[in-house]
Amino acid sequence: AQSVTQLGSHVSVSEGALVLLRCNYSSSVPPYLFWYVQYPNQGLQLLLKYTTGATLVKGINGFEAEFKKSETSFHLTKPSAHMSDAAEYFCAVTPGAGSYQLTFGKGTKLSVIP
Amino acid sequence: NAGVTQTPKFQVLKTGQSMTLQCAQDMNHNSMYWYRQDPGMGLRLIYYSASEGTTDKGEVPNGYNVSRLNKREFSLRLESAAPSQTSVYFCASSDPLMGSYEQYFGPGTRLTVT
Repeated sequence: AQSVTQLGSHVSVSEGALVLLRCNYSSSVPPYLFWYVQYPNQGLQLLLKYTTGATLVKGINGFEAEFKKSETSFHLTKPSAHMSDAAEYFCAVTPGAGSYQLTFGKGTKLSVIP
Repeated sequence: NAGVTQTPKFQVLKTGQSMTLQCAQDMNHNSMYWYRQDPGMGLRLIYYSASEGTTDKGEVPNGYNVSRLNKREFSLRLESAAPSQTSVYFCASSDPLMGSYEQYFGPGTRLTVT
């Protein structure tokens, strides 16, 4: 069974500061990993995904994440926060191999302070 | 290309009333999903349909029924609404049989049961 832990339900950063949102997963097989963003009153939008290959994955809006198998982590980063980054972020995992389900973390709400 | 669409956007029901939430996707995906989102709980899978003609229970199926009408459409029915079903409901689609595990989400339906 898969599980996802997002450390910190709420993270605040200053505008221009580094954004770091943490995601750890457990999986019995090499996983496929995703980050989604949810703006207020909207659905979830895919930010980036890791399937196979390069462990540093770049996504939309300047975000990137690095798959670290030894640490079972897939942390999301952005060098410089912008006010428009304020949203909730969800990490998700699936074992692939035809699996239909994604397991989501409980989300981290990012606030950006001007 | 609208992606995943959901109707209605908002709904208020009285306890015991019934309603159907509609979902359609135009990405030719085989699999479709219904989630509910509650504060602090993340996303929880209600039902999913791996392919046209099949449906399976997710984590929280009680009180709900689904119909996969065709490849494009997947509806969620509440037969006798309860206040505990007050939530935001999201439909999603993906194509894991084609190796595409990321799910694409609709804008959501905000349901209040009084």
